[in-house]
Amino acid sequence: GAVVSQHPSWVICKSGTSVKIECRSLDFQATTMFWYRQFPKQSLMLMATSNEGSKATYEQGVEKDKFLINHASLTLSTLTVTSAHPEDSSFYICSAPGLAGNSYNEQFFGPGTRLTVL
Amino acid sequence: QKEVEQDPGPLSVPEGAIVSLNCTYSNSAFQYFMWYRQYSRKGPELLMYTYSSGNKEDGRFTAQVDKSSKYISLFIRDSQPSDSATYLCAMKGGEAGANSKLTFGKGITLSVRP
Repeated sequence: GAVVSQHPSWVICKSGTSVKIECRSLDFQATTMFWYRQFPKQSLMLMATSNEGSKATYEQGVEKDKFLINHASLTLSTLTVTSAHPEDSSFYICSAPGLAGNSYNEQFFGPGTRLTVL
Repeated sequence: QKEVEQDPGPLSVPEGAIVSLNCTYSNSAFQYFMWYRQYSRKGPELLMYTYSSGNKEDGRFTAQVDKSSKYISLFIRDSQPSDSATYLCAMKGGEAGANSKLTFGKGITLSVRP
C-alpha cells in the first residue's frame, strides 16, 4: 500500500514558539492531504484539507492563522503550529487519499507527530 | 445525535475469543465503510474497506454493512494479543474526488488477554 511519512515523530517546545510538522507521500502523488488532531482516548478530529497549489480548507472552529498549512508540492504538506500553547499539545496525524480506479476511496495515514508544549 | 456512534469500550477478551465491534450512523448518504486499527502512539492503518451493504472477509476479519439499519460491524475470529489496539470505524459518501472526507467513530480500545 501507499506510504505516508511524518516528521518529526515527537517534539517538545516552549510556549510561544512555532513548530513545523511535515507530511510526505513517499511512493505516490497527493494533490490533497488531510490534517487531523487526536487527544488521548479520543477519535481523530479533522482540522483542515490541504490542496496542492491552493489555500487549505479549514474545519469550523480551527484557527487558520494559528495552524498554517502549506502544500507546496505533490508529495509534501506542512502544518505549522504558531505561537504554541500547552492546550495545543496533541497527536497530529496527516493522511492522503489513494487513487483506486477512478475514485479516491482509501486514505493512508502517517504515523503521527506527538507535540508537547511546555 | 452524532453522525457516527461507536461503543465506547474498553473491551477485554481472552485469547481465542470472537470479537464483535459495532458502529451506527445517521447519514444515509454514506456509501463507503472502513475499519482502521490504531496501535498506541501510531497512525491508523486500514484494516477493512467495504462499499455499500454486504459482507467482506479477510483472514480472521469480517466486515458487515447493513445500510437499511445504518449499522456496521467488524468481527475478529480467534483473537490474538497482537489484535490489542484501538479500532475506529470510518465512513464517507459516494463522492469520488480526492477531497471527500472521512467521518470517524470515537474508537474502541480492545485488549486481548493471553
